[in-house]
Amino acid sequence: QVQLVQSGSELKKPGASVMISCKTSGYSFSDYALSWVRQAPGRGLEWMGWINTNTGNPTYAQGFTRRFVFSFDTSVTTAYLRINSLKVDDSAVYYCAREILLLPAWIYYMDVWGTGTAVAVSS
Amino acid sequence: DIQMTQFPSSLSASVGERVTITCRASQKISNFLHWFQQKPGRAPKLLIYAASILQRGVPSRFSGSGSETDFTLTITSLQPEDFATYYCQQTYDSPRTFGQGTKVDVK
Repeated sequence: QVQLVQSGSELKKPGASVMISCKTSGYSFSDYALSWVRQAPGRGLEWMGWINTNTGNPTYAQGFTRRFVFSFDTSVTTAYLRINSLKVDDSAVYYCAREILLLPAWIYYMDVWGTGTAVAVSS
Repeated sequence: DIQMTQFPSSLSASVGERVTITCRASQKISNFLHWFQQKPGRAPKLLIYAASILQRGVPSRFSGSGSETDFTLTITSLQPEDFATYYCQQTYDSPRTFGQGTKVDVK
C-alpha cells in the first residue's frame, strides 16, 4: 500500500539548518507530485508548496520562498525539505503528502499523508 | 489568496447525532474543495475530495456537498472515533489554503 514515512523529530538551535526526509513506497514515485504542509503547535494546517517529481520543478507558497528548499532523489523514492537559518517560529510539525490529479476536471488533492516530523527550534 | 472560513470553529455533540460543518470560500472555486480529519498527534486523513466524492475506505456516514463558495461536510450519525478536528482545503488556486479547522468534541 502507499506509504510516506518521514524522518524523526529534530531539535535545533536558531540559525542552524535541518533536512526532513519523506520516504515513499507502494507507488511509482515520479508519477505523483508531493506537497509539504506545516502545522505550528496548536494551530491549523498551512500549505508550503509542492514539487513535481517528474520535472523537478518546485513551487513555493509565499512565506516559504527564501529559506525553504524542496528536493528529491528518485533512486531512493524520497523527498526532502530543507530549512535554512532556522527561527524559533519554524517550530512545527511538517508533513509531506502525495498529490493526486483527478481527471478530466484537473483537480489536485492530497490523498496520502506522511507520518509528520516535529521540528523544535530553541536556544 | 483565497480565504477559507469554516464554521463553527468548534462544536460539542453526542454519539449518534448528525453533525454539519460549513466551509466558505472568499471567491468561487467550483468543486476544488476537500475535507480532512485530524486526530491529536496524527497526520490529517482525506475524507472527501472534489467537494462530494468519498475517499475509498471512509465510512458512508461522511458526505460532502456544495459548489463555488459554500460547502458542507455532514456526519449523519457521529461515532466515538469521529471526535477530531476537521479541515477544508481549496486547490483551485495557489496557495492552496486551508480553513482554520472545526474541532468536534464530546458533549
